[in-house]
Amino acid sequence: EAGVVQSPRYKIIEKKQPVAFWCNPISGHNTLYWYRQNLGQGPELLIRYENEEAVDDSQLPKDRFSAERLKGVDSTLKIQPAELGDSAVYLCASSLTSGGADTQYFGPGTRLTVL
Amino acid sequence: GQNIDQPTEMTATEGAIVQINCTYQTSGFNGLFWYQQHAGEAPTFLSYNVLDGLEEKGRFSSFLSRSKGYSYLLLKELQMKDSASYLCAVREGTGFQKLVFGTGTRLLVSP
Repeated sequence: EAGVVQSPRYKIIEKKQPVAFWCNPISGHNTLYWYRQNLGQGPELLIRYENEEAVDDSQLPKDRFSAERLKGVDSTLKIQPAELGDSAVYLCASSLTSGGADTQYFGPGTRLTVL
Repeated sequence: GQNIDQPTEMTATEGAIVQINCTYQTSGFNGLFWYQQHAGEAPTFLSYNVLDGLEEKGRFSSFLSRSKGYSYLLLKELQMKDSASYLCAVREGTGFQKLVFGTGTRLLVSP
């Protein structure tokens, strides 16, 4: 079974430029998450989707970050404009929400460097 | 809100046993996960505890005490490939539940 797919794996941009990340979750997983992980820290949730609906975006800096999950499958996360402090690894995860463990499975992440 | 504490770093030798502790404070505990993360890679699921007690899975075991807000991950017969960060994550809330991660414990296994 294919895992969570993310692209690109690495991205280097200059500050004030836009950037977008793409995620394809595990087939059949209805819940999709975007996390940001700074060096030496655990992942922090940015946004969670249940199918097409964003059900928790309280940690998403909405002045510059946006996300969408059209058709309830793939998702994109965009930053415009990027700032130096946005340098981090952006992780996508998915789960099948069923009321049990609902284990989240992570993709390899996109390492963003803002110069 | 959440407060999750783990040691920053631990060292151990190949073949030994190591215990990584995690303490948490939460409103609305609904399960605890352990993930392994090798440098530059994605976190991978190791274990899940929602009831008190020990869950064993091969060389790895995880323990939970909800009354004490405490969990540990036990790694036996350590191998060099076990060198990684180990993330404790607590799920809180009902309905749309949220997973909150600790900062992780970096384990270095030496020969």
